[in-house]
Amino acid sequence: SAVISQKPSRDICQRGTSLTIQCQVDSQVTMMFWYRQQPGQSLTLIATANQGSEATYESGFVIDKFPISRPNLTFSTLTVSNMSPEDSSIYLCSVGLAEYEQYFGPGTRLTVT
Amino acid sequence: GQNIDQPTEMTATEGAIVQINCTYQTSGFNGLFWYQQHAGEAPTFLSYNVLDGLEEKGRFSSFLSRSKGYSYLLLKELQMKDSASYLCAVMDSNYQLIWGAGTKLIIKP
Repeated sequence: SAVISQKPSRDICQRGTSLTIQCQVDSQVTMMFWYRQQPGQSLTLIATANQGSEATYESGFVIDKFPISRPNLTFSTLTVSNMSPEDSSIYLCSVGLAEYEQYFGPGTRLTVT
Repeated sequence: GQNIDQPTEMTATEGAIVQINCTYQTSGFNGLFWYQQHAGEAPTFLSYNVLDGLEEKGRFSSFLSRSKGYSYLLLKELQMKDSASYLCAVMDSNYQLIWGAGTKLIIKP
């Protein structure tokens, strides 16, 4: 298994500002994922962030809005840019340890006013 | 398109057994996962099935039929702490996880 931490755990931000979410893992992992989960909804994959390559974004998500960094095998950041109330959600990072094991961080609860 | 269906909500009684069904239509198949998510918390891994049949892990069992595009999660001897959402997810041919909307399980005393 892996221990994953996220910062901040929650934040309230104003419209038009940006927030960077950090994800730290206690072991080296190749595959990291960023998800969004809106209230009462299931998980939506934003992007896959593998170390040494550019993040791969899913349909509906673009790099200008959600830039991602992956500087090493234990850390990644997701920035939510130019926020609007529609970005209010829980943002989760996860890591893939083996072909079928995916572990999630505790999430960042974002409210945009 | 890709689709995962599971009931929105189920109610069961403490000590009883409940079966949560999941049907899927995906482009390719590389395994089916069940996750548990308590309110306000991150999902936690419960099970993985890639071959047909039943996988048992303590009070929880998961079944898969690939030909029917069907899985279920069976929870026995229900406890109040089992109240949570249960997410079904399928890994497609691109090794991406396609998530169901989740089943909210309510346990009553």
